Amino acid sequence: DAGVIQSPRHEVTEMGQEVTLRCKPISGHDYLFWYRQTMMRGLELLIYFNNNVPIDDSGMPEDRFSAKMPNASFSTLKIQPSEPRDSAVYFCASTLITGELFFGEGSRLTVL
Amino acid sequence: GDSVTQMEGPVTLSEEAFLTINCTYTATGYPSLFWYVQYPGEGLQLLLKATKADDKGSNKGFEATYRKETTSFHLEKGSVQVSDSAVYFCALSDPGGGSQGNLIFGKGTKLSVKP
Repeated sequence: DAGVIQSPRHEVTEMGQEVTLRCKPISGHDYLFWYRQTMMRGLELLIYFNNNVPIDDSGMPEDRFSAKMPNASFSTLKIQPSEPRDSAVYFCASTLITGELFFGEGSRLTVL
Repeated sequence: GDSVTQMEGPVTLSEEAFLTINCTYTATGYPSLFWYVQYPGEGLQLLLKATKADDKGSNKGFEATYRKETTSFHLEKGSVQVSDSAVYFCALSDPGGGSQGNLIFGKGTKLSVKP
């Protein structure tokens, strides 16, 4: 079975540009999570969805960040405008209501 | 609020050494507990879990026992291999939250095993 699929795997952009990260969760999973991982702050939950509805976005750092889940098989995380401090690895994860998260391989973002 | 505290790394061991990574938690309810592992360049993956007190989770030679009296879930392995080099995350489910899928993670412990 295909796991959680994220794209792009690597993104290098310049400050001020818009960045869009994409995620395809495992088919049938009810929940989708977006995490950010940095050396300084570790793993941070940004937002999660249940049945395509955002449940908790309190981890989204600021208004420059937005996330959508238009259907059960696709989600995006957008940063506009991007800043160097947004450089991180962004992970998407999905699950049924079991507590076992399945993570994608991550999108490594570098903002110059 | 609920939280997870892990021993700080990095931890460096020789091959075949005994491994312990400490994890303690704070929770108001009765969480499930998890260990996740992240190999270099990859996402996290579930290593083992325990859903109630005194349960022992095990996988790939790793074990952890859910100790409610000490609010701990320490990870152990009797003989580590070079291939076990990774970052290990302790996590708990959020029993008070609306989502049974949301997890609270510790900061991670990096393990390096030398041949």
